Amino acid sequence: GAVVSQHPSRVICKSGTSVKIECRSLDFQATTMFWYRQFPKKSLMLMATSNEGSKATYEQGVEKDKFLINHASLTLSTLTVTSAHPEDSSFYICSAREAGKGVETQYFGPGTRLLVL
Amino acid sequence: DAKTTQPPSMDCAEGRAANLPCNHSTISGNEYVYWYRQIHSQGPQYIIHGLKNNETNEMASLIITEDRKSSTLILPHATLRDTAVYYCIVGGWGAQKLVFGQGTRLTINP
Repeated sequence: GAVVSQHPSRVICKSGTSVKIECRSLDFQATTMFWYRQFPKKSLMLMATSNEGSKATYEQGVEKDKFLINHASLTLSTLTVTSAHPEDSSFYICSAREAGKGVETQYFGPGTRLLVL
Repeated sequence: DAKTTQPPSMDCAEGRAANLPCNHSTISGNEYVYWYRQIHSQGPQYIIHGLKNNETNEMASLIITEDRKSSTLILPHATLRDTAVYYCIVGGWGAQKLVFGQGTRLTINP
């Protein structure tokens, strides 16, 4: 199957700093990418949907100024957690899908574990 | 998108078939049933999907009832590596987003 990578796999940062997480589709062009977060022993919660070249669509309750999403190319989307606080500590997972393809072609990255001290 | 209901946890012996149920009584006519699983600290992995007919692939089988209000994912010969949280999701073929419920935590015991 197709591969989606994330970098870094884990990051520790100080409160108040910003952290950027990259999501790449390695062998296909992802016109749509999704960002999820997951707290321990909880399910994945969709944060936002981004389409290449346009602004991201955020789910209700997700602060767009805090979680900046950029999808500048067909193989790369970035999530920047601005002014991170300990409550932002979580497992962030991206997924990517090719245009015109079904949901079964939505592939997930391995996740990024963020710890804010 | 229709909502799904799954048991929170299940156990199965290694080598036996694992049957994971899912209720989706409000599914609409053009919505598919998708199954994903998430092994601890990894991203979700696609398993199988179906619309009306039963489906089988190298990972699993999917049995959908005739009224489409429920389905069962079958792992025919479970191994320890199948221990994971299994998510049943319903949505259109080109659905923009996958919304995950709580899933079933399946534990395969030696």
